[in-house]
Amino acid sequence: NAGVTQTPKFQVLKTGQSMTLQCAQDMNHEYMSWYRQDPGMGLRLIHYSVGAGITDQGEVPNGYNVSRSTTEDFPLRLLSAAPSQTSVYFCASSYSNGPQETQYFGPGTRLLVL
Amino acid sequence: AQSVTQPDIHITVSEGASLELRCNYSYGATPYLFWYVQSPGQGLQLLLKYFSGDTLVQGIKGFEAEFKRSQSSFNLRKPSVHWSDAAEYFCAVAPRGAGSYQLTFGKGTKLSVIP
Repeated sequence: NAGVTQTPKFQVLKTGQSMTLQCAQDMNHEYMSWYRQDPGMGLRLIHYSVGAGITDQGEVPNGYNVSRSTTEDFPLRLLSAAPSQTSVYFCASSYSNGPQETQYFGPGTRLLVL
Repeated sequence: AQSVTQPDIHITVSEGASLELRCNYSYGATPYLFWYVQSPGQGLQLLLKYFSGDTLVQGIKGFEAEFKRSQSSFNLRKPSVHWSDAAEYFCAVAPRGAGSYQLTFGKGTKLSVIP
């Protein structure tokens, strides 16, 4: 298993550009999430999904869109990038929501918006 | 709204010394509780979690955490720190009935270890 993969590893955008951060998992996990990490802020939840076709907003959803057309993929779209979206983005997946669950984080995508 | 407080931004300990990292949460009901570790430039790794039952939870790498409902705390401990434990540590909570896909994180505590 490759686990949770994220592409690209690093991206530079200009203000107003759009892009999609890719996240894929090959563990047949039902649950997937996107977090952003900023210095001194910890990680904050952007969007999450509890299954294909089902998504919901987290703490900081503004400026981001998600969709979940398959179990494996959970892309995060920036429609019009802003400097405030400069951050490190982590995707995560898990297979249950009880005591036996285990969550896996991807390696992260570092995004710089100029 | 739920919140997680890690009062210590940076802690320095000597190798071999004991460690305690503090975590307090504010939540309507007892949430699920987690501790994660992040090495520089890396993703997050789960150290341990509390869902219910025994309030002393054992994790990986020799870490343990104790849930204290009366204090709304979930402090992380290790009896003897190794140089490889230098990293950033995050406490997190999730709504009971949900899971780790819906985490609220603290701002983290950076641990430095003096050889």
